[in-house]
Amino acid sequence: KAGVTQTPRYLIKTRGQQVTLSCSPISGHRSVSWYQQTPGQGLQFLFEYFSETQRNKGNFPGRFSGRQFSNSRSEMNVSTLELGDSALYLCASSSSHWNTEAFFGQGTRLTVV
Amino acid sequence: QQQVKQSPQSLIVQKGGISIINCAYENTAFDYFPWYQQFPGKGPALLIAIRPDVSEKKEGRFTISFNKSAKQFSLHIMDSQPGDSATYFCAASTDNQGGKLIFGQGTELSVKP
Repeated sequence: KAGVTQTPRYLIKTRGQQVTLSCSPISGHRSVSWYQQTPGQGLQFLFEYFSETQRNKGNFPGRFSGRQFSNSRSEMNVSTLELGDSALYLCASSSSHWNTEAFFGQGTRLTVV
Repeated sequence: QQQVKQSPQSLIVQKGGISIINCAYENTAFDYFPWYQQFPGKGPALLIAIRPDVSEKKEGRFTISFNKSAKQFSLHIMDSQPGDSATYFCAASTDNQGGKLIFGQGTELSVKP
């Protein structure tokens, strides 16, 4: 069974640009959550999507947004990039919104210059 | 109240020894407590998890001890091996927010041969 796939693995963007990251969950999983990982703040929850609906949102500015498609694939978008957005962005999939067993992808390393 | 506090920040153990990592929480609504292992350049991997209705769960060399009254839980790694050297994260969530994991700050474990 294939795991969680995140693309791209690495990304370099300039301040002010926007970026879109993609996540394909484990086959059959319908819940996708996104996390930001930085050395200073650790792992922080961004948002969760289940059946194409955002079910939960963390404490991040509106520049961070996401969506989920009917095949459960998810994208997250960050607009007007800031240097502080440099981080490892991780996607996790679960079989349902109520099943807390989450499996992570390898992440997308975003560097903002 | 949403925080999970993890200690120590770093840990050095001799091969064959016992590694112990502790976590404490405040939110009594938390009812799922997983531990994740992360190697450099990889996403976190689910190691073992526990719910508050049991005080201990063992899987191979990994054991979670849970103290509901003290609102604390810990990970014990028996017979620690150099291959266990990684960063370990505790986390917590509630069933009605299944996709939202609150993570501890992480413990960098180094097992010396």
